[in-house]
Amino acid sequence: NAGVMQNPRHLVRRRGQEARLRCSPMKGHSHVYWYRQLPEEGLKFMVYLQKENIIDESGMPKERFSAEFPKEGPSILRIQQVVRGDSAAYFCASSDGNSNEQFFGPGTRLTVL
Amino acid sequence: AQTVTQSQPEMSVQEAETVTLSCTYDTSESDYYLFWYKQPPSRQMILVIRQEAYKQQNATENRFSVNFQKAAKSFSLKISDSQLGDAAMYFCAYRSYSGGSNYKLTFGKGTLLTVNP
Repeated sequence: NAGVMQNPRHLVRRRGQEARLRCSPMKGHSHVYWYRQLPEEGLKFMVYLQKENIIDESGMPKERFSAEFPKEGPSILRIQQVVRGDSAAYFCASSDGNSNEQFFGPGTRLTVL
Repeated sequence: AQTVTQSQPEMSVQEAETVTLSCTYDTSESDYYLFWYKQPPSRQMILVIRQEAYKQQNATENRFSVNFQKAAKSFSLKISDSQLGDAAMYFCAYRSYSGGSNYKLTFGKGTLLTVNP
């Protein structure tokens, strides 16, 4: 019974490159949440998606960031033209939409050189 | 918007002793959920305990218990018989009771707990 999976676990990009972070929710879960954890900070909500729909993107930076959760395949968080300030741990969580619990993946640590 | 405050950036406890981590929050809602998450050095977020605001009884999970004071908007975590494996960053989190976009979690900045042998 696999939990939430994220890959890659570590990602290194140079300034200006694109970063793609993937999240496969737990089996049976159709709700995905992305959070960002900056150094020495708590997790901050970025976006909430259900299959093929963005429900709440109030925490997403207005530019360079986008997210999707297609009908088939994992959820993708995409960061275009990365800058040093994007260096952080990015966590994905999933839920079945009925319970109050979100299950977290192990995170992707993005380092921008 | 809801806010969560953890006023203790760091705490330490002797093995087998008891420690309490503080958390306060601000909300205008009457129904909500509160959580404590543990983040060990592996960075995996692990749910420790949760409390529904409509329940007066404090939640308990083995050595972990909470002191939920709704009027004071306080939600502290007590760890009894501390073990070396309890050493981690602990985050307090809030979630609205209603659905839709209110499913998102709002986290505090965390408390780093050190357990001394």
